[in-house]
Amino acid sequence: DIQMTQSPSSLSASVGDRVTITCRASQSIDNYLNWFQQKSGKAPKLLIYGASSLRSGVPSRFSGAGSGTDFTLTISSLQPEDFATYYCQHGALAFGGGTKVEI
Amino acid sequence: QVQLQESGPGLVKPSQTLSLTCTVSGGSISTGGHYWSWIRQHPGKGLEWIGYIYYSGFTYYNSSLKSRVTISVDTSKNHFSLKLSSVTVADTAVYYCARADIAARVTDSWGQGTLVTVSS
Repeated sequence: DIQMTQSPSSLSASVGDRVTITCRASQSIDNYLNWFQQKSGKAPKLLIYGASSLRSGVPSRFSGAGSGTDFTLTISSLQPEDFATYYCQHGALAFGGGTKVEI
Repeated sequence: QVQLQESGPGLVKPSQTLSLTCTVSGGSISTGGHYWSWIRQHPGKGLEWIGYIYYSGFTYYNSSLKSRVTISVDTSKNHFSLKLSSVTVADTAVYYCARADIAARVTDSWGQGTLVTVSS
């Protein structure tokens, strides 16, 4: 099975900061990498699919990049509503361990 | 807009079988083009993919759970189900059902999740 590793597991940031989260696959997954945001008590919300495609309705401050084994999610200017936990997922399969973005 | 809703017992005894159903509305499971997934989240922890099923009955499971998991589909009722056998307290989690777009290879719709507690 392909393993997904996210880093960091948590980070502290301020409103307006640029934040980058990394996801690494144990072997090449082409661009089959998706990013989700989860807030407490809620189901995850899809942000980015196919490594870099922004889901309709998601703010443009979110962007994704990468292919093969190394991927990033970047929030260009952190907003108060962005404090949450972020997960990567290989296609419809394994998830990364998550990154909690805290104030 | 497809909607998914989990249902089933919120409390299961150790060694018994956990059984959940996901009812799909706003779309037909039989249309094809989607995998129907189960995902869980232990309290305060990350997401764990359990497995998925296609309307034809094709299944694919997480290898770490494969020996205890069965996912089935009932197209006449437009729902799919999860059975997890020989549960322990370690199976206490919020269980989500979800839909994955096969072509885009993305989980694009989720149920609200249901907490299942394993306790005697």
